[in-house]
Amino acid sequence: DVKVTQSSRYLVKRTGEKVFLECVQDMDHENMFWYRQDPGLGLRLIYFSYDVKMKEKGDIPEGYSVSREKKERFSLILESASTNQTSMYLCASRSGASGSVKQFFGPGTRLTVL
Amino acid sequence: DAKTTQPTSMDCAEGRAANLPCNHSTISGNEYVYWYRQIHSQGPQYIIHGLKNNETNEMASLIITEDRKSSTLILPHATLRDTAVYYCIVAYSGAGSYQLTFGKGTKLSVIP
Repeated sequence: DVKVTQSSRYLVKRTGEKVFLECVQDMDHENMFWYRQDPGLGLRLIYFSYDVKMKEKGDIPEGYSVSREKKERFSLILESASTNQTSMYLCASRSGASGSVKQFFGPGTRLTVL
Repeated sequence: DAKTTQPTSMDCAEGRAANLPCNHSTISGNEYVYWYRQIHSQGPQYIIHGLKNNETNEMASLIITEDRKSSTLILPHATLRDTAVYYCIVAYSGAGSYQLTFGKGTKLSVIP
């Protein structure tokens, strides 16, 4: 089975700090995704990457950046954390093969910004 | 812009079949129906997907109506560990398609 791991389950940071969320997958998947999940708003796509060094904005990229230097690793960066970025962050990966439909999710990182 | 409609919540007795409905009346011909679930404080878990034929795997069965405007996810013998939010998602799966749009889902409570 695909394994998607995230660097932390819980994280507490202060306003203005630079925050790195790391995601690693072990199935050689081409596509990787970062979502955030908030009560009443569901999962919203922040950024995705369809290959190494490639990235595309999702629905809510403002305040975030990403990095994909290696195929297995996709990092989400909050340049200057703010309290409205307190959320559950979910990473996912998917094969890039045509017709592939499944996204595999990590356990999530619950980030609190004070 | 929700493409699917699901009940907000459902209860099911332990050991009974759980039947979760989903309406997707605007589905287009090349869109699949996917089901995911999310157990509290965990990431979503893929369950099953289908295009127009009924599908079954070790977790569940998916019944899609002939007109493809609705579907039902069936958990044949629900256990307490099946308590979760279940998401029905309609999405294209061809080259260049990347996004899954999660709605609010159905909160399934399995009762002892």
